[in-house]
Amino acid sequence: GAGVSQSPRYKVAKRGQDVALRCDPISGHVSLFWYQQALGQGPEFLTYFQNEAQLDKSGLPSDRFFAERPEGSVSTLKIQRTQQEDSAVYLCASSYTKDPQYFGPGTRLTVT
Amino acid sequence: LAKTTQPISMDSYEGQEVNITCSHNNIATNDYITWYQQFPSQGPRFIIQGYKTKVTNEVASLFIPADRKSSTLSLPRVSLSDTAVYYCLVGDTGFQKLVFGTGTRLLVSP
Repeated sequence: GAGVSQSPRYKVAKRGQDVALRCDPISGHVSLFWYQQALGQGPEFLTYFQNEAQLDKSGLPSDRFFAERPEGSVSTLKIQRTQQEDSAVYLCASSYTKDPQYFGPGTRLTVT
Repeated sequence: LAKTTQPISMDSYEGQEVNITCSHNNIATNDYITWYQQFPSQGPRFIIQGYKTKVTNEVASLFIPADRKSSTLSLPRVSLSDTAVYYCLVGDTGFQKLVFGTGTRLLVSP
């Protein structure tokens, strides 16, 4: 079946612009996670949804970062007033109950 | 969440068996051990998960001793396409955030 998809795959934003990154999880997956991966590092947790409820947002680096999953399926990660340090790959993962998390291909964000 | 320690890098040749060991001394009773593989410009790919003893699938085997304080990912007869970063993680992966380290960079040469 279809895996996790993310769009866009690449995004270039000028400093100060707002961006929205989309994640389509595997159908039926209850849990959805966002991670940020800097070059040469492992992914770092940003936030977690169970259905439409955002249960953990402890990893969001600032109040410029906002995530939503209003209907319990598609999720959007929004970054307001982007800064150069926001440049990274943003990964989305989904899982069903206790199953492993399955990752999408990521969105590479470059802030110029 | 238990911390894991694994080698930063490993080198191998095509056709060899590669074993990557991960230590997780503080693993909790409910924790599973999960390995992911990541190629450049791709998201991590689930390889294998286990709780105890041995698990085998079409890609790899996972060996877990009785005390569960370490685990070994075994890749049989590696090929060039197995060159990637391999991450070992412990936790209740379905519901918990994953805590990645820097992983093990495996380089397979001809």
